[in-house]
Amino acid sequence: ILNVEQSPQSLHVQEGDSTNFTCSFPSSNFYALHWYRWETAKSPEALFVMTLNGDEKKKGRISATLNTKEGYSYLYIKGSQPEDSATYLCALAGGTSYGKLTFGQGTILTVHP
Amino acid sequence: EPEVTQTPSHQVTQMGQEVILRCVPISNHLYFYWYRQILGQKVEFLVSFYNNEISEKSEIFDDQFSVERPDGSNFTLKIRSTKLEDSAMYFCASSTVPIGQPQHFGDGTRLSIL
Repeated sequence: ILNVEQSPQSLHVQEGDSTNFTCSFPSSNFYALHWYRWETAKSPEALFVMTLNGDEKKKGRISATLNTKEGYSYLYIKGSQPEDSATYLCALAGGTSYGKLTFGQGTILTVHP
Repeated sequence: EPEVTQTPSHQVTQMGQEVILRCVPISNHLYFYWYRQILGQKVEFLVSFYNNEISEKSEIFDDQFSVERPDGSNFTLKIRSTKLEDSAMYFCASSTVPIGQPQHFGDGTRLSIL
């Protein structure tokens, strides 16, 4: 059974702060690492899919890095805004090639004005 | 932008009844998935589906569950003889390929078993 862990569980920051959170996963049988942004009552929104060790991806103020050898990924948000408040989920595609995602428990980010 | 749609948004059912949750995946996607999240727990995988066959299923997906693509657009999850512990948010997702591209999720169906 694959275990994906995210930390911290929740985070409160002030508008303008930069922040980051961690996703840890087993490094064996790795296919891809997904990051999603999930607002309450909406569908999870895909941010990044990362497949290669050393991958760095960026989308506006949000970026992510990947280390498959040690089994972690970081998500960074630069200059947080209140609209960044959401749950950030990471999910591992691993073990099989059929697309099954194993999710972490998420990091709940609250950005205070 | 095309999206995955799910109906209904909320389903309330008596224990022991059958429910069918419906999903319309993005039209050019070939891979389909169901996940669920029990309140306070992680999102968990139920089943993946490709070419009218189940590709993979979790241990949760026992004989109580079935999936079907009855026509070219719908993808359904049937739960027979529902139990209290089936109460959860059920998400449908679809993708163009199984690995390397994002899975696109619907808004979910909240299933409440009484």
